[in-house]
Amino acid sequence: GEDVEQSLFLSVREGDSSVINCTYTDSSSTYLYWYKQEPGAGLQLLTYIFSNMDMKQDQRLTVLLNKKDKHLSLRIADTQTGDSAIYFCAVGQSGGSYIPTFGRGTSLIVHP
Amino acid sequence: DTGVSQDPRHKITKRGQNVTFRCDPISEHNRLYWYRQTLGQGPEFLTYFQNEAQLEKSRLLSDRFSAERPKGSFSTLEIQRTEQGDSAMYLCASSLGAGIHEQYFGPGTRLTVT
Repeated sequence: GEDVEQSLFLSVREGDSSVINCTYTDSSSTYLYWYKQEPGAGLQLLTYIFSNMDMKQDQRLTVLLNKKDKHLSLRIADTQTGDSAIYFCAVGQSGGSYIPTFGRGTSLIVHP
Repeated sequence: DTGVSQDPRHKITKRGQNVTFRCDPISEHNRLYWYRQTLGQGPEFLTYFQNEAQLEKSRLLSDRFSAERPKGSFSTLEIQRTEQGDSAMYLCASSLGAGIHEQYFGPGTRLTVT
């Protein structure tokens, strides 16, 4: 089955850019998602990219996809303390159930 | 639209007891998903419904787990004879279905089995 890997922790200074990386194994993955989870809360869908795209930008968020290397990244520009959370990469396939496989999450800590 | 809601938010139970959780999806969302999340892990798929039909179940869903969505609106997840290993956050998500894949998650129910 699909395997999704993420580094567990990232620490950045407020105002810097954060880059969270993710690798996956199934080359047939069609949808690639980034979710944010704050303490004690459910997951919030931040953005997603289709496998036929290389990049997607949405305000402070930039998603880059290297399909050849099966590598996905999420860049957060001008990181704020409110961005501190766990970020999950998830990948899924089109057709049928759209059930994504999630990584273990990257804990982003933003310090002043 | 108030989003996906789950009840209760927290549940503490003794081993061997039965528990039931409820999920109310976003109205008009045809698909409803249940996930389990343990500490330090991402959500793991348990089961999903298209309207009232349960279309897929994970091998994680043992015989002690049962889920229903009787009228295609809210759903319940029941765990019988709870075990300490069942302690986790149980997340519900919904999506429009029909090719619309984005899933919207509820706040989760945190289960602690003592």
